[in-house]
Amino acid sequence: SQKIEQNSEALNIQEGKTATLTCNYTNYSPAYLQWYRQDPGRGPVFLLLIRENEKEKRKERLKVTFDTTLKQSLFHITASQPADSATYLCALRRGRGGANNLFFGTGTRLTVIP
Amino acid sequence: DTAVSQTPKYLVTQMGNDKSIKCEQNLGHDTMYWYKQDSKKFLKIMFSYNNKELIINETVPNRFSPKSPDKAHLNLHINSLELGDSAVYFCASSLSSGRAVAGELFFGEGSRLTVL
Repeated sequence: SQKIEQNSEALNIQEGKTATLTCNYTNYSPAYLQWYRQDPGRGPVFLLLIRENEKEKRKERLKVTFDTTLKQSLFHITASQPADSATYLCALRRGRGGANNLFFGTGTRLTVIP
Repeated sequence: DTAVSQTPKYLVTQMGNDKSIKCEQNLGHDTMYWYKQDSKKFLKIMFSYNNKELIINETVPNRFSPKSPDKAHLNLHINSLELGDSAVYFCASSLSSGRAVAGELFFGEGSRLTVL
């Protein structure tokens, strides 16, 4: 079965620095990969999607890379702010189509220290 | 203008009881899901429904039964509740294949179930 590991349970960084979160997976390569943000007591919120034929995707201060050789995705938040503090989840979709085969990682809790 | 809404937000009940959690989406999506998030924050899919048909049924106990009266609603009914059922249950919806951002999930706020 698919295993998805996110580099650490918790990550603390100083405000203004770049936060880098890692998502590693085993077995088959996903058709695409998504990143979500989850705040305490709330549901996950979609941030970015990157497809298997894309190396990099950007959205404002967010950047996602996808390396199918290393079976790894990196999620970067540049110029981090305390408001970026949350749990970030990666999710992999195996094949084509909808979200039927969406597997989530355990998440990394990011804390940005003012 | 809530996209995915689920009720109740909190549910405290005794072992052995039967309870339901309701979910509604107003996004016009054709696929809805139930996820369970345990105390370690691991999010695991339980069910998905596409056009009123069950298309995933992970290995969850048959005490759990999803019910979809129409494509905008997917309710979760749980019989004979057990202590291990305590968790946060999330409803979600998405568009199915063929769309530009197929599969992006929209989640509800979660329903925290505590079984005593």
